[in-house]
Amino acid sequence: QQQVKQSPQSLIVQKGGISIINCAYENTAFDYFPWYQQFPGKGPALLIAIRPDVSEKKEGRFTISFNKSAKQFSLHIMDSQPGDSATYFCAAQNTGNQFYFGTGTSLTVIP
Amino acid sequence: GAVVSQHPSWVICKSGTSVKIECRSLDFQATTMFWYRQFPKQSLMLMATSNEGSKATYEQGVEKDKFLINHASLTLSTLTVTSAHPEDSSFYICSARPRTWGQFFGPGTRLTVL
Repeated sequence: QQQVKQSPQSLIVQKGGISIINCAYENTAFDYFPWYQQFPGKGPALLIAIRPDVSEKKEGRFTISFNKSAKQFSLHIMDSQPGDSATYFCAAQNTGNQFYFGTGTSLTVIP
Repeated sequence: GAVVSQHPSWVICKSGTSVKIECRSLDFQATTMFWYRQFPKQSLMLMATSNEGSKATYEQGVEKDKFLINHASLTLSTLTVTSAHPEDSSFYICSARPRTWGQFFGPGTRLTVL
């Protein structure tokens, strides 16, 4: 059973556009939601994370929107650049030290 | 902060040999370390969870005698692939969890078994 569902599987965006990746979860015990960026041949790097007590967190061009009632959260990449082309994983962690990843989204930003 | 290193970054070995991969948290103490395996264009697959000073907890389907994990200290965990075979070739990634929230990943180790 996939604890965290991520979509889309792949995404192509024009340079300067907005990239949006969505994740959904069922377990209300999750209380930490990070996003990771992974380049080929590299380990995932923490990009941005949010706790459920806020609805939005912004860091530079990256924004997490969190909807607690819908149990959904999304990553928005503003002014997408070719250097943002990578695989993005959402994840959810609960107080029981359990950590679950989404299936990943391959983002390609076209110049 | 929150840097995790892995060594080696890549290794090629002959079938039947054993390979050890080290994972270190450089600037924090990791109460828990995780080992993942990743196939091309796929998500990370959790292999095992280890807590310092105790035996690792392996995920279903992961052979504990094949993949030996030692968590010797709060900053070091090792994964030993014993009697490696070509099907063990993969990208192995460790991660470490500090006492607070989050999980931080190493850069990965590419294992190729000939």
